[in-house]
Amino acid sequence: AQSVTQLGSHVSVSEGALVLLRCNYSSSVPPYLFWYVQYPNQGLQLLLKYTTGATLVKGINGFEAEFKKSETSFHLTKPSAHMSDAAEYFCAVSGARTGANNLFFGTGTRLTVIP
Amino acid sequence: DTGVSQNPRHKITKRGQNVTFRCDPISEHNRLYWYRQTLGQGPEFLTYFQNEAQLEKSRLLSDRFSAERPKGSFSTLEIQRTEQGDSAMYLCASSLGGRGGTNEKLFFGSGTQLSVL
Repeated sequence: AQSVTQLGSHVSVSEGALVLLRCNYSSSVPPYLFWYVQYPNQGLQLLLKYTTGATLVKGINGFEAEFKKSETSFHLTKPSAHMSDAAEYFCAVSGARTGANNLFFGTGTRLTVIP
Repeated sequence: DTGVSQNPRHKITKRGQNVTFRCDPISEHNRLYWYRQTLGQGPEFLTYFQNEAQLEKSRLLSDRFSAERPKGSFSTLEIQRTEQGDSAMYLCASSLGGRGGTNEKLFFGSGTQLSVL
């Protein structure tokens, strides 16, 4: 079974500051890990994913995440927040080589960017 | 590519009424998924189709829920005898899934927000 825990349902940062959104996972099999973003009145959009290989994954809009097996973490970071980053972010996990019917989402973190 | 389209965007209904939602996936996508998202929660898997075949249903999908995907194109999700607990955002996603399960990329619609009074 797989699950994710997102620490902090709300995170506020100043424009230009570092963004750090935390995600810890639990998986009985090698995991695939994902970050999705949901802008207001829009569908979820894939930011980045980790499957195998390099543990530091780069995504769209300057975001990146690092898979740390020893810490069972997949935290999302961005060096400098932009106003347009304000959205809800979801971490998700699936078992390796399984489809989206086995994709488990966290409860989400709402990011606010303060001008 | 017009993306995944869901209709209606909002639906308000009275308890006990039936409702139907529609999802139009990206045209060449063979897989179509339905998720439910309640306030403060992430999306939860309900069911999915590969072409016209419904391959899996979550235990969240009670007997009052039925989904179809005739001809492997658009899909409908019907809820009969709605209850207040059915109030949620219903999300549809599509993908070009491969055999044996691959790390497919999901494309989500904007969802249908259901409010049961």
